[in-house]
Amino acid sequence: DAKTTQPTSMDCAEGRAANLPCNHSTISGNEYVYWYRQIHSQGPQYIIHGLKNNETNEMASLIITEDRKSSTLILPHATLRDTAVYYCIVRAISSGSARQLTFGSGTQLTVLP
Amino acid sequence: DAGVIQSPRHEVTEMGQEVTLRCKPISGHNSLFWYRQTMMRGLELLIYFNNNVPIDDSGMPEDRFSAKMPNASFSTLKIQPSEPRDSAVYFCASSSSRALSYNEQFFGPGTRLTVL
Repeated sequence: DAKTTQPTSMDCAEGRAANLPCNHSTISGNEYVYWYRQIHSQGPQYIIHGLKNNETNEMASLIITEDRKSSTLILPHATLRDTAVYYCIVRAISSGSARQLTFGSGTQLTVLP
Repeated sequence: DAGVIQSPRHEVTEMGQEVTLRCKPISGHNSLFWYRQTMMRGLELLIYFNNNVPIDDSGMPEDRFSAKMPNASFSTLKIQPSEPRDSAVYFCASSSSRALSYNEQFFGPGTRLTVL
C-alpha cells in the first residue's frame, strides 16, 4: 500500500471549515484513499473514502487531485467534538477478502472555541 | 446494532499472568482485526481473520501472543505470559468483505491493558 504524508497537527476555529491535507504521491491506480479519525480514548472511526472523484457524505467531503497524488479532507463546519487525530490511508480493495489498514501518525486536529 | 463489543474494557494484571481479551464482531461481518495502540508505536495491526481463518499474523509480536476465532461471533487474543511492555490499548475491528465493498472497518471501544 502507498505511503501517506500528513501534517502533525492543525488548529481550526469552531464553525469554520477544517481542511486536512494528505500526500500520497506513490498511489497506484487500484488504490483508494480512506480517512479515519480517532477521538481521544475511543476506537478509530471511518469517515469517507474515494478513488478519483470527489466524495461527500454527512460527515465530510473528500477532494482528490486529478493526478491522485494528494487529497484534502474537509469538515465544513468544525465543532469541538471534531477534535481528534485524523488518519489518511491508501489501500487497494480486494473483492471477497478484507485487507488490513496501515495507520500512520495522522494529523491532530484541534478545534478551538 | 450494538457495534463491536470488547471485554474487559480495562485489565490490570501482574507480570507473568495470562491475559485474555475478547471481541464480538458486528453480526454479519466476516472479517475481524486485532490492533494494538501505544504512544511509541501508534496503531499497529496484530492479526486478522477472514471467515474465521487467520490470514495474516505477521504483526503478532512473539509466541506469547495468540489469537483464535472459533466462530463468526467471537474472537480472543491471549497473552501468556504477560510482560509490562504489553501494556497498551487493544482494539478489535470488524468488516464485511462479501460484496465488492470498500471494506469499512468498525472498531470497538478497546481494552486498556496494564501489566505491572
